[in-house]
Amino acid sequence: AQSVTQPDIHITVSEGASLELRCNYSYGATPYLFWYVQSPGQGLQLLLKYFSGDTLVQGIKGFEAEFKRSQSSFNLRKPSVHWSDAAEYFCAVGRYNNNDMRFGAGTRLTVKP
Amino acid sequence: EAQVTQNPRYLITVTGKKLTVTCSQNMNHEYMSWYRQDPGLGLRQIYYSMNVEVTDKGDVPEGYKVSRKEKRNFPLILESPSPNQTSLYFCASSPQLSGANVLTFGAGSRLTVL
Repeated sequence: AQSVTQPDIHITVSEGASLELRCNYSYGATPYLFWYVQSPGQGLQLLLKYFSGDTLVQGIKGFEAEFKRSQSSFNLRKPSVHWSDAAEYFCAVGRYNNNDMRFGAGTRLTVKP
Repeated sequence: EAQVTQNPRYLITVTGKKLTVTCSQNMNHEYMSWYRQDPGLGLRQIYYSMNVEVTDKGDVPEGYKVSRKEKRNFPLILESPSPNQTSLYFCASSPQLSGANVLTFGAGSRLTVL
């Protein structure tokens, strides 16, 4: 079965600093990869997704992620974090025509002024 | 506005008192799913539905029931809630069953069972 690991439970960064959230997956073929963000009191919202093609994908709110097949990773990055980015971030892995979507445990981001 | 609506958003109940969390989507999506979110465990799927009258178990179905009598609605039923069902619940939908489809999530329902 596929699985998703987000090694960092909680990350704190200063406003304006760069951010990288890690995501590693276990799956035999090229999966569909997603990053979702959950702001306090809200549901999950899609930040970006990767299905195929260019391994660097751009998302909303200035986020990007890079798919590295050799490392089974799909890390999320942002060059300059804003206070409004404080939220919980979930990496997810899916397979075509299959219900087996897996979510990571999430990484909570705190932004210091 | 395209959305998934869950109710109630917050609920405190007692052990054994049946409750239903409603979920409705206005996007004509075929696929709907329920998840629970617990600290350190991420989202775990409870039940899903590929279309009307078609439902199946997810990873953690024990203690829950669902029904899909209409395309837009997918209620989650706790027949006899227990404290270990205290959690944050999310309903989600997508156009079809596909790992490539983006899920649209409701705002969540926080349930406390005393």
